[in-house]
Amino acid sequence: QSVLTQPPSVSGAPGQRVTISCTGSSSNIGAGYDVHWYQHLPGTAPKLLIYNNINRPSGVPDRFSGSKSGTSASLAITGLRAEDEADYYCQSYDSTLSGVLFGGGTKLTVL
Amino acid sequence: QVQLRESGPGLVKPSQTLSLTCTVSGGSISSGGYYWSWIRQPAGKGLEWIGRIYTTGTTNYNPSLRSRVTMSVDTSKNQFFLRLSSVTAADTAVYYCAREIVVVVAARAHWYFDLWGRGTLVTVSS
Repeated sequence: QSVLTQPPSVSGAPGQRVTISCTGSSSNIGAGYDVHWYQHLPGTAPKLLIYNNINRPSGVPDRFSGSKSGTSASLAITGLRAEDEADYYCQSYDSTLSGVLFGGGTKLTVL
Repeated sequence: QVQLRESGPGLVKPSQTLSLTCTVSGGSISSGGYYWSWIRQPAGKGLEWIGRIYTTGTTNYNPSLRSRVTMSVDTSKNQFFLRLSSVTAADTAVYYCAREIVVVVAARAHWYFDLWGRGTLVTVSS
């Protein structure tokens, strides 16, 4: 079981807005460690979407945004498109585990 | 642009050692101050960080795998390597190599992966 908890699935219609939550604890997100987000289509290389809570790498559309508060973080996707259908993972660092950890992943379905 | 590619046997027998290579192309493994990592994903499960190596040879491993993991690097070949010993069926997974960045702010190190390979499936079976 992942120390970072994500909903197994979310869905939305094209054009809509969806959010994916990532809930941690006082030894990771709550301890001030940044949260990062990845998009993964099976069979392809995972892609960095958001780093250091809110930053987008070059080339990532501004439809993707990140936020963090307390022991949780969220990824928001606006103007949903069919190509956004993928698995999304949050990632942080845990001081108790002394290592990087990932959330369990959320499958986004575009209806 | 920089690309990473994993290679190695797709089938390993139980109790043997899994060995994988990550080849970095389009740039030098020694430049930019990056760390180089391995991550895996068992079928139907989430991602698990295995460990990282710096070009000096310094390593950090996931505590849950530390007793079985060895990573190394060959800067002359622009490659880094993973060895996982005493494998069992639980080690069956897609293995990814990735480039890792660390940002240190207020005495906290924030690690993330900005570039990944496409992954290679390793099955542990007799």
